[in-house]
Amino acid sequence: GNSVTQMEGPVTLSEEAFLTINCTYTATGYPSLFWYVQYPGEGLQLLLKATKADDKGSNKGFEATYRKETTSFHLEKGSVQVSDSAVYFCALKDTGGFKTIFGAGTRLFVKA
Amino acid sequence: NAGVTQTPKFQVLKTGQSMTLQCAQDMNHNSMYWYRQDPGMGLRLIYYSASEGTTDKGEVPNGYNVSRLNKREFSLRLESAAPSQTSVYFCASSAAAANTGELFFGEGSRLTVL
Repeated sequence: GNSVTQMEGPVTLSEEAFLTINCTYTATGYPSLFWYVQYPGEGLQLLLKATKADDKGSNKGFEATYRKETTSFHLEKGSVQVSDSAVYFCALKDTGGFKTIFGAGTRLFVKA
Repeated sequence: NAGVTQTPKFQVLKTGQSMTLQCAQDMNHNSMYWYRQDPGMGLRLIYYSASEGTTDKGEVPNGYNVSRLNKREFSLRLESAAPSQTSVYFCASSAAAANTGELFFGEGSRLTVL
């Protein structure tokens, strides 16, 4: 079945450091890929998405590229801020269109 | 903009008690979902409703029932709560059946079963 694997956390960085959170997936067909972010005490919200191979999603300085050849969708940001501290979830939505499957989440701490 | 609203936000139950989590969305979305979030396990789908009048099991449906009351509302019921159901529950909705549609989440309901 479909699945998403992302790097375990927590990840601790200093402000202005470069961030990479790895995500790989297993899926049949042509899923859409998503990154969601969860700030403390809140629900998840969409950070970015890509709907086909080689698409790059971007938002708030974060980027991720849909790589079908490596079945990956790694999240990157060039310079993190304290306000980026949150839990980040990689997810895919299958070609049937109704179910979204999530990775386990990666907690990011950014120190001033 | 209210978006997705869940109630209650917190609940403590004793083993064997029943309760219903309520969810409503005001975005005219067709699809609605219930997930549970447990440490280290991400979000797991309990039940979903692709459109008004339909419901289907997700990954972890045992011990739960759902009702799609109308297009806006989708409730989750625990008939006989167990400690294993201690979790944070999220309701979500989505506009389209196409796989490009993102999920919109409520703020979550934290349930503790003693």
